[in-house]
Amino acid sequence: DTGVSQDPRHKITKRGQNVTFRCDPISEHNRLYWYRQTLGQGPEFLTYFQNEAQLEKSRLLSDRFSAERPKGSFSTLEIQRTEQGDSAMYLCASSSYRDLGQKNIQYFGAGTRLSVL
Amino acid sequence: AQSVTQLGSHVSVSEGALVLLRCNYSSSVPPYLFWYVQYPNQGLQLLLKYTSAATLVKGINGFEAEFKKSETSFHLTKPSAHMSDAAEYFCAVSEVPSSGNTPLVFGKGTRLSVIA
Repeated sequence: DTGVSQDPRHKITKRGQNVTFRCDPISEHNRLYWYRQTLGQGPEFLTYFQNEAQLEKSRLLSDRFSAERPKGSFSTLEIQRTEQGDSAMYLCASSSYRDLGQKNIQYFGAGTRLSVL
Repeated sequence: AQSVTQLGSHVSVSEGALVLLRCNYSSSVPPYLFWYVQYPNQGLQLLLKYTSAATLVKGINGFEAEFKKSETSFHLTKPSAHMSDAAEYFCAVSEVPSSGNTPLVFGKGTRLSVIA
């Protein structure tokens, strides 16, 4: 068990460019969450997957954002036509719904810090 | 809708003093409650959780929290602060997971400073 991995750790991009982040959850965790954290705030829910199905998207997730989890393992979050307001830390978390003993305990990765210039 | 209020965006204590970080929640259903810690430029690490068992919950690094339903509170305490406790602390609430979505709703965080 190597924990939740996120790549890259830092991304600097110019306004209007597309960016993609990757998250590798803890192996066999069937739930995967994306959160966004801006400076001085707590993380805010963006979207979540159960296995490969994207079951809910927050209103924070505009049309420029898309997330996938094609094989129920790793996930990607893409932001198209980035804007300066997209600058934030993007956090991924995973949990095991099947393991009742874990009871929605979400384990977080170190995050990807995005800076849009 | 669920929400979390953390009183005090910044708390400063002396090394060896009691740490008290306050968290109040709002939930229309019985909640699960969590405290996470975040060190600079890192992700969140789970300190402790309340999942409808014992109301006094012990976590890692000597932290504990008590669930008080009547006060809708889940304050975090540690008897004696250590320099390494300096970090950002987040309280979070979720619904009891069943078959549906259970995202965490976070407070805005409390930055703990420890003075030597």
